[in-house]
Amino acid sequence: QKEVEQNSGPLSVPEGAIASLNCTYSDRVSQSFFWYRQYSGKSPELIMSIYSNGDKEDGRFTAQLNKASQYVSLLIRDSQPSDSATYLCAVNLSGGGADGLTFGKGTHLIIQP
Amino acid sequence: NAGVTQTPKFQVLKTGQSMTLQCAQDMNHNSMYWYRQDPGMGLRLIYYSASEGTTDKGEVPNGYNVSRLNKREFSLRLESAAPSQTSVYFCASSLTGDEAFFGQGTRLTVV
Repeated sequence: QKEVEQNSGPLSVPEGAIASLNCTYSDRVSQSFFWYRQYSGKSPELIMSIYSNGDKEDGRFTAQLNKASQYVSLLIRDSQPSDSATYLCAVNLSGGGADGLTFGKGTHLIIQP
Repeated sequence: NAGVTQTPKFQVLKTGQSMTLQCAQDMNHNSMYWYRQDPGMGLRLIYYSASEGTTDKGEVPNGYNVSRLNKREFSLRLESAAPSQTSVYFCASSLTGDEAFFGQGTRLTVV
């Protein structure tokens, strides 16, 4: 069964530190990987996309992809209380098709002031 | 630019009642999706429409039907609501099937 796995947390990180969120996926044909942020009671918001092995940086966010290990991560530098949310890892498990992203259950991140 | 718009935002149904959730996108996206989100279960795909004129079942289609009315609109129908369908429903759209953008959600309670 195709799956996306995340540690549900909560992950507690002091303000100003680096938050590291991890995700593994089951299918080697996957080519597209995404991180969403979801505040309580709100809809998921796309914050990062990554398609190639290595790192991709956007402001305080860095996504890392290792297809050989089937592993994708999100680093949040200089964590702020406003980063407290649930972070969802999503993967296009169909190798580029349009039949929907598969989501992990999310990691609840708490940034302690 | 409104993005993805869902109606209604909240709904309470009695068991056995029917309703239709509406979704519209103004981003000229080809693909549209309906997900449900339950505590501890994450987002699960109900139905999707990869392109105008096509619809397919996702992971949890039982008890639901969909209609892709045109390129902009994708509706989800509950024919006979059950308490197990109490959930938050999200519509999403995507240009290529990769990056997906979500509506604000519909919080449905079936009593």
